[in-house]
Amino acid sequence: QSVLTQPPSASGTPGQRVTISCSGSSSNIGSNYVYWYQQLPGKAPTLLMSRNTQRPSGVPDRFSGSKSGTSASLAISGLRSEDEASYYCAAWDDSLRAAVFGGGTQLTVL
Amino acid sequence: EVKLVESGGGLVQPGGSLRLSCAASGFIFDSYRMTWVRQAPGKGLEWVANINQGGGERYYADSVKGRFTISRDNSKNSIYLQMNSLRVEDTAVYYCARGPMAVLDYWGQGILVTVSS
Repeated sequence: QSVLTQPPSASGTPGQRVTISCSGSSSNIGSNYVYWYQQLPGKAPTLLMSRNTQRPSGVPDRFSGSKSGTSASLAISGLRSEDEASYYCAAWDDSLRAAVFGGGTQLTVL
Repeated sequence: EVKLVESGGGLVQPGGSLRLSCAASGFIFDSYRMTWVRQAPGKGLEWVANINQGGGERYYADSVKGRFTISRDNSKNSIYLQMNSLRVEDTAVYYCARGPMAVLDYWGQGILVTVSS
């Protein structure tokens, strides 16, 4: 059972907009930044979103992040086949004094 | 170009020990915190441990606390993960990553550790 809760799966058709949620608590998302990672099949994860809403260099502006209270979301607009991957949220947890990941969301592009 | 290359993985029996290494290049190594993250087969990511630039500040996941030790040698641009009292549930691909806590901007390719009798 992960500290951060994500839906195990999501799907959409090319061109659609998809949102992935990440729910936590006051000790993690509620008081710290949220980060998102993309993991393509068979590859190492890559940083997709930093400090809730900031895209690292090279990440398309089709990806956007948001945070409200103890929840965060990753939105992907103009869905493309190459977006098919697993997506993970992460945050520092003040109570655990450790970083925590969500369980991951497998995105399927239909 | 930033590169992180893990080594030292393999098959070990339950209760055994293994030491992972991560060689870094392409950036000023002693300016960055470094982190180990693992992924059990078919499962999600699990943050394992983090070490600060000088090596004096370390954080661990509860699941490995007391069994694993993270360290670094800035003269060799490397970090290490000493894993003792290994359990079957420690079987995973172990990734070395650059950055503090949850902000991991570069990752290695990963190394497989299998704990089995």
